[in-house]
Amino acid sequence: NAGVTQTPKFQVLKTGQSMTLQCAQDMNHEYMSWYRQDPGMGLRLIHYSVGAGITDQGEVPNGYNVSRSTTEDFPLRLLSAAPSQTSVYFCASSYPRYRGLNSPLHFGNGTRLTVT
Amino acid sequence: DQQVKQNSPSLSVQEGRISILNCDYTNSMFDYFLWYKKYPAEGPTFLISISSIKDKNEDGRFTVFLNKSAKHLSLHIVPSQPGDSAVYFCAASGNTGTASKLTFGTGTRLQVTL
Repeated sequence: NAGVTQTPKFQVLKTGQSMTLQCAQDMNHEYMSWYRQDPGMGLRLIHYSVGAGITDQGEVPNGYNVSRSTTEDFPLRLLSAAPSQTSVYFCASSYPRYRGLNSPLHFGNGTRLTVT
Repeated sequence: DQQVKQNSPSLSVQEGRISILNCDYTNSMFDYFLWYKKYPAEGPTFLISISSIKDKNEDGRFTVFLNKSAKHLSLHIVPSQPGDSAVYFCAASGNTGTASKLTFGTGTRLQVTL
């Protein structure tokens, strides 16, 4: 059971380039989300999805785009990379709370992105 | 505005002693609280949680205490082991709408020394 898989593990981009961070889960979780972790800031929510075809913004959505065409996949797109987007990105999934379950988030191992 | 606060960036404890990690929150709508543990180059892993209807939850060496009136929770690790050395994040969720959004604190780095 792979859980939450993120690719790539590392990426270096030049300012203005675009790229997609991939995230896939095999636990049939409806809820998926993206966080970024920066020193001294904890983890901050970028975008989330409660099911295929449904996405919404989190705390820090600017400069990022998401889509959810399947239950398993939730890619994060950087439209035009900026140095401020240098961070470690984590994808996570869980059962949603409206199912009456207090389900903890399961995280992938992260993508370390550097924008020069 | 930081809704979940971990005011101690680091903590050092001797092996075998108790580790106490603290977390404060400001949003009274939070009703579900979690602790995550994170090793370098890995994603956070779930450790223990507590619902706001309880004031204590225990799982082996780990116990979480919730004081709703003070908007404070703490994680106790007894006895502490070297493998417990990691960054610990406190997180909180409110049952609003259909989302399971977690708000995280900034983390406390625990070092367990021999």
